[in-house]
Amino acid sequence: DQQVKQNSPSLSVQEGRISILNCDYTNSMFDYFLWYKKYPAEGPTFLISISSIKDKNEDGRFTVFLNKSAKHLSLHIVPSQPGDSAVYFCAASTITGKLIFGQGTTLQVKP
Amino acid sequence: NAGVTQTPKFRILKIGQSMTLQCTQDMNHNYMYWYRQDPGMGLKLIYYSVGAGITDKGEVPNGYNVSRSTTEDFPLRLELAAPSQTSVYFCASSYDLAGTTGNTGELFFGEGSRLTVL
Repeated sequence: DQQVKQNSPSLSVQEGRISILNCDYTNSMFDYFLWYKKYPAEGPTFLISISSIKDKNEDGRFTVFLNKSAKHLSLHIVPSQPGDSAVYFCAASTITGKLIFGQGTTLQVKP
Repeated sequence: NAGVTQTPKFRILKIGQSMTLQCTQDMNHNYMYWYRQDPGMGLKLIYYSVGAGITDKGEVPNGYNVSRSTTEDFPLRLELAAPSQTSVYFCASSYDLAGTTGNTGELFFGEGSRLTVL
């Protein structure tokens, strides 16, 4: 039972354009959401997070939007850069602190 | 600053063999985790620990054991290796639980250990 889903395995965008990565979840008890980025042969690294009491969080080029009624979150990267090419995982957490990850979306930013 | 260190980085096992994946962190984090990543399946939580002497099961604990005798170390043991355990294993640690006031719950990951069971 996949509680956190990233339905797009891959995404390709042109440098300078916006990248939008999507994530859906099923468990209404999730109260915290995070995005991680992963390069090949490396561990995931934290990118940005959002609490369920907010609907938007921004950090530089990265913005995460949360729509609780739709159980949907998205990560916007503006402008996209070739160095952003990586696998992006969304993750959700309950009060117990266990993070449940989605399957990941591979982003390719073309120069 | 080493962060989270995993060893070995690569290992090939025969079916039925046992081995231990080592994980150590130098950030004095209470929380530690083991995940496995299978192709196209994301990261699945195997076991986690909220402090020395305390461990609990995650999503996919079968076939694995853990112990947490110190804050720094969180080894993962495979007793009878099976082909289904072929995967990349990631150890991670965090300062606090995700969503705790003032904390993002960010996990710090090691570089991973690629295990193949033949």
